[in-house]
Order: sequence, then C-alpha cells, then structure tokens
Amino acid sequence: EDQVTQSPEALRLQEGESSSLNCSYTVSGLRGLFWYRQDPGKGPEFLFTLYSAGEEKEKERLKATLTKKESFLHITAPKPEDSATYLCAVGASGSRLTFGEGTQLTVNP
Amino acid sequence: EAGVAQSPRYKIIEKRQSVAFWCNPISGHATLYWYQQILGQGPKLLIQFQNNGVVDDSQLPKDRFSAERLKGVDSTLKIQPAKLEDSAVYLCASSLGGITDTQYFGPGTRLTVL
Repeated sequence: EDQVTQSPEALRLQEGESSSLNCSYTVSGLRGLFWYRQDPGKGPEFLFTLYSAGEEKEKERLKATLTKKESFLHITAPKPEDSATYLCAVGASGSRLTFGEGTQLTVNP
Repeated sequence: EAGVAQSPRYKIIEKRQSVAFWCNPISGHATLYWYQQILGQGPKLLIQFQNNGVVDDSQLPKDRFSAERLKGVDSTLKIQPAKLEDSAVYLCASSLGGITDTQYFGPGTRLTVL
C-alpha cells in the first residue's frame, strides 16, 4: 500500500525566513509526485508535478525537489500570503493518488 | 477557463437523513474524482470515473454512498443515510486522463452531520 508522510505537521516562520517542508513516500512504481496548496475553505490548488529522482521545479518563492524516497518543498524568503496547508500526493502505476496529511504553514509579518 | 464547479458549498443535516452533492468538471476532462477530506487530513479518494464508467470505487462505503456520472460530464454523490462520521469536506476533481495528469479541484462541499 502506498504511504505518504509529511513533516512537520505545522511550521511557523517569520517573513523572509527560508525553510523546507518534507514529504516521505513509499510506493511501488512512482509515476508522479504532486504538490498542492490548500487555503482554508478552498480546494487544493496545483503547484508542481515531479516525475523522476533528481528533478526540480520552481515557481516564484517555491522550489520542489525529488529523490527516490522523499520530496522537499523549499520556501525562500516567504511572505504572509504563502500561509496555507501544503499537501503532497503520490501516484503509482494502476493506483489512485495517495495524499499526505499536509503541513500547515504560517508566515508572520 | 472555468474551473471545477460544486454545489452546494455548505450543508447541515441530521444523522440518518440523505444528502446529494453536484459536480461539473472542467470542459473536456474525461476523468472525474470524488474525495472525502476530514478535518486535519489529506483528501481520500472515494470514486473515480473515466467518462461515465467507474474506474475505482474500492474506498466508497457502498452501503450508504452512491455516485453517478451521466453522459460523462456532471456527477452527483449521494449519502443515504448519513452518519456522524460523514462530516467532512467533499471535493470533486477532474483531469484529462491518467495518473500523471494534473487533477484540478473544485471548492468542495462542507457537510456537517448532527
């Protein structure tokens, strides 16, 4: 069974204080690892898809990386508007997306 | 481009009552998903449709939950009878096709069962 573990559960940063969120996974035949952002009262919003170890993708202050066992979402110089829950999900051959429980990020001004 | 539409946004019912949720996916998206998201957890897939056929309903509590996707477009998810533990956000998502295609989510329906 596919498993996804995200850490930390919650992270509080000061504006401008860079950090990383972790997504560890166990899956047979990874087809893709997905990062989503979810604001309170809204559905998840797509950020990135990573397909193979060594791949990196960037968008504004966010950078996602992938190894054979985990993915990191690096946040550089975060702003208060980056506050949200960040969800990681894995998709494997012949199976459904499995989501982690998310990291709740708060960026204080 | 219009996103995934869901209604209602909020619903409060008594236990043992029935409730239905509606979803309209992004135009042209063949695959439609219903997820259940309990507070503090990640979304859990309930059912996946490819056009109007069911691909995966292994995690759908079939004694009380049912879903249909008529004509391969809109979909409805029904709960009958509802239990207290069904209180959650029900998310609809759509994608072009397979597991590597991005899933786009609607705003969700927050269900409270009293």
